[in-house]
Amino acid sequence: QVQLVQSGAEVKKPGASVKVSCKASGYTLSSYYLHWVRQAPGQGLEWMGIINPSNGGTTYSQKFQGRVSMTRDTSTSTAYMELSSLRFEDTAVYYCARGHYGSGSLTTFDIWGQGTMVTVSS
Amino acid sequence: EIVLTQSPGTLSLSPGERATLSCRASQSVTSDYLAWFQQKPGQAPRLLIYGTSNRATGIPDRFTGSGSGTDFTLTISRLEPEDFAVYYCQQFGTSPRTFGQGTQVEIK
Repeated sequence: QVQLVQSGAEVKKPGASVKVSCKASGYTLSSYYLHWVRQAPGQGLEWMGIINPSNGGTTYSQKFQGRVSMTRDTSTSTAYMELSSLRFEDTAVYYCARGHYGSGSLTTFDIWGQGTMVTVSS
Repeated sequence: EIVLTQSPGTLSLSPGERATLSCRASQSVTSDYLAWFQQKPGQAPRLLIYGTSNRATGIPDRFTGSGSGTDFTLTISRLEPEDFAVYYCQQFGTSPRTFGQGTQVEIK
């Protein structure tokens, strides 16, 4: 069964960093691009960036440039998203999603993780 | 950045009725790179349509996508009880990938 399983909920203080993991099973992580998307409470979906797990290459949304880092460990089939200098408005559910149907890195998302709630609170 | 505007914001319909959801882009989107998602409360989004009109694996044929250029449509031919949810369009041909703000399909 193809799935992405994410790490559990986090509570962080403003200014701190958070690192969310996303473990792939049922397929080879390095065979598909992996995207990160977030959703603030009651709001829509926001794309954060993409990683090519085969070589670690990344492209980030300009909005998060300088604050986000996407990495992977192919030995454990796990991808990571770290967001630093957290603000209250970073409170959201963070999803990883497998890239599929498209061309190269231009892919939509066919398999999603279950989401990780990150709460930024003082 | 390509801005996607979905209309209406909320669609109130009864089971068995036809739903027509619109997605308008601020600039032309290549048809290969337009997708639709369904999201239910507390769940991750689910891919319905990719490449404007291709149904994803396991998606019933009552879901149909169409359009080109800046105007795209998702049609649900006959609403089933499980179809009441929020629907998002997405373009993935340029960075940043962007989503519409969503259309909620609710039971009338």
